[in-house]
Amino acid sequence: GAGVSQSPSNKVTEKGKDVELRCDPISGHTALYWYRQSLGQGLEFLIYFQGNSAPDKSGLPSDRFSAERTGGSVSTLTIQRTQQEDSAVYLCASSSGLAGGSSYEQYFGPGTRLTVT
Amino acid sequence: DQQVKQNSPSLSVQEGRISILNCDYTNSMFDYFLWYKKYPAEGPTFLISISSIKDKNEDGRFTVFLNKSAKHLSLHIVPSQPGDSAVYFCAANKRAGNNRKLIWGLGTSLAVNP
Repeated sequence: GAGVSQSPSNKVTEKGKDVELRCDPISGHTALYWYRQSLGQGLEFLIYFQGNSAPDKSGLPSDRFSAERTGGSVSTLTIQRTQQEDSAVYLCASSSGLAGGSSYEQYFGPGTRLTVT
Repeated sequence: DQQVKQNSPSLSVQEGRISILNCDYTNSMFDYFLWYKKYPAEGPTFLISISSIKDKNEDGRFTVFLNKSAKHLSLHIVPSQPGDSAVYFCAANKRAGNNRKLIWGLGTSLAVNP
């Protein structure tokens, strides 16, 4: 399909292990966002990539979290030394870089449910 | 510091009636607003948006109203249907510049009862 895809859909990991979450944005979208949603909470912004600009990392909760976007397309969110409080649904979204209101419309993937035991 | 606030965490309405979801914002620089709908185990999906040059935008059963002086917007769903039961998020941004990052509210969970 042409939508945003994320993998894996579910990940269970032991406390202290590293995990990598992948996002494939919609082809041609220059902006990519990572969010997380903990149980019963709203969307928490993590990081934002816009074209070739330096990413906005202002939402990353600690230095255990990092993300990269290779070739302006696929993005990987890495969580090192996972903790139980990292358990959440991690959502990726992309939007076009075109001018106009539609460029603000973010298209979301289905998310990755991370459980740290 | 919540710049976009959805003060009602939940709302319950009867099928066929109007659902009104509210959103308040504090940053007067915001000039573009969006509503998203989220079902469990799915990512949010875009519903409707409004620019600050307008005070109303309508799309089928969904209408968004913007009151700039009050820094308030609302989403009206009429008539409400059971399939509308979901969490609704309000989001906002400033259109100046190239930054497309949205500021999100915490969401309102809508339950439409048959």
